[in-house]
Amino acid sequence: DVKVTQSSRYLVKRTGEKVFLECVQDMDHENMFWYRQDPGLGLRLIYFSYDVKMKEKGDIPEGYSVSREKKERFSLILESASTNQTSMYLCASRTQGQLTPWANVLTFGAGSRLTVL
Amino acid sequence: AQKITQTQPGMFVQEKEAVTLDCTYDTSDPSYGLFWYKQPSSGEMIFLIYQGSYDQQNATEGRYSLNFQKARKSANLVISASQLGDSAMYFCAMRESQNFGNEKLTFGTGTRLTIIP
Repeated sequence: DVKVTQSSRYLVKRTGEKVFLECVQDMDHENMFWYRQDPGLGLRLIYFSYDVKMKEKGDIPEGYSVSREKKERFSLILESASTNQTSMYLCASRTQGQLTPWANVLTFGAGSRLTVL
Repeated sequence: AQKITQTQPGMFVQEKEAVTLDCTYDTSDPSYGLFWYKQPSSGEMIFLIYQGSYDQQNATEGRYSLNFQKARKSANLVISASQLGDSAMYFCAMRESQNFGNEKLTFGTGTRLTIIP
């Protein structure tokens, strides 16, 4: 019954490495999001995509990029990982539908905990 | 300025008691939505309840209800008859409608609820 799948639950990388975090959803949702979660800071939006090949910067896009070549897949890329990117990363998706408030409900993946040494 | 404020970093509640988790928000948008999510130790964010700014009645979903006080800009989550499984992190979030369809959710910093047997 898994709907949003994040490929890795735990990753350990070294400073300067290129890191890919993959997210796949099977609900045919138009919108996809990457959030970062840190203690005491809640969830902060990194990037979101409202359609294939479309992307918008969130609140903290610096040091990250994204790719959305197919509707079901949204990838977060750390071009050169740094220790301050050690965090929990959460992917979410949502239908574009505007007719009901429930359309705004995000469905989240289980998260990817990244440690950069 | 914080758009979503959760002032209780942690709470301890006896099993079977009711619990109220506080959330205040700040927006000048007349149309907005408020959400509560639960994050158990497994990490996945689970949608609990939604309240629209124009909804006349407070939202309820099973043991969850939202105490929506528009003039005070508060949207507190009330859990009745708490259970051990309610132990989790709880996040309040808001959606504003300035860019309807592409808008993002803004999250609070969360409250960690622990239910004591």
